[in-house]
Amino acid sequence: EADIYQTPRYLVIGTGKKITLECSQTMGHDKMYWYQQDPGMELHLIHYSYGVNSTEKGDLSSESTVSRIRTEHFPLTLESARPSHTSQYLCASSETGGPTYEQYFGPGTRLTVT
Amino acid sequence: DQQVKQNSPSLSVQEGRISILNCDYTNSMFDYFLWYKKYPAEGPTFLISISSIKDKNEDGRFTVFLNKSAKHLSLHIVPSQPGDSAVYFCAAMGGADGLTFGKGTHLIIQP
Repeated sequence: EADIYQTPRYLVIGTGKKITLECSQTMGHDKMYWYQQDPGMELHLIHYSYGVNSTEKGDLSSESTVSRIRTEHFPLTLESARPSHTSQYLCASSETGGPTYEQYFGPGTRLTVT
Repeated sequence: DQQVKQNSPSLSVQEGRISILNCDYTNSMFDYFLWYKKYPAEGPTFLISISSIKDKNEDGRFTVFLNKSAKHLSLHIVPSQPGDSAVYFCAAMGGADGLTFGKGTHLIIQP
């Protein structure tokens, strides 16, 4: 059973607000990821991290930023939310050097910016 | 340009029959492939994977087949059950971190 948590599950917020989406995992995984998914579309990688103090941008350009101060925690921040940021955000983690590339996903945060 | 393609947005199968979900890829660097299942308002759940050095991997009712020369893989579910109704994502990895996903196929199991 994967132990990866995201809060909030749903968020409706006005344009211009600063928001932070939380993601935590209790599996001790070094690698963590953020994906963005619009309805009916593929998941796009927007950020990833190899470990503490490591952050990288993914394939899809995003105005969000991430931090990795603790192994278990990988929050995503939008400084000024816009309607174009409306989407589902999924956090995932995986082992380093394991036999598979399996990533464990959290339940996601559905963000609506009005 | 989409590197992982799932050309069937939806598939309807009768309960007890075989479900076959298809996936094509274009990037020759991909060397590991995964299938995920996703229910509404939940995150994707890992189902089964296959390395490029194999052409088949089986786990219970789920079997994944890989045809490297055709850059094609498929997921077979047999027998199909009502709880299998979900969106299935094909994903690939090779080189860079992170998975490259297809758009998903919505599988509907009819009673």
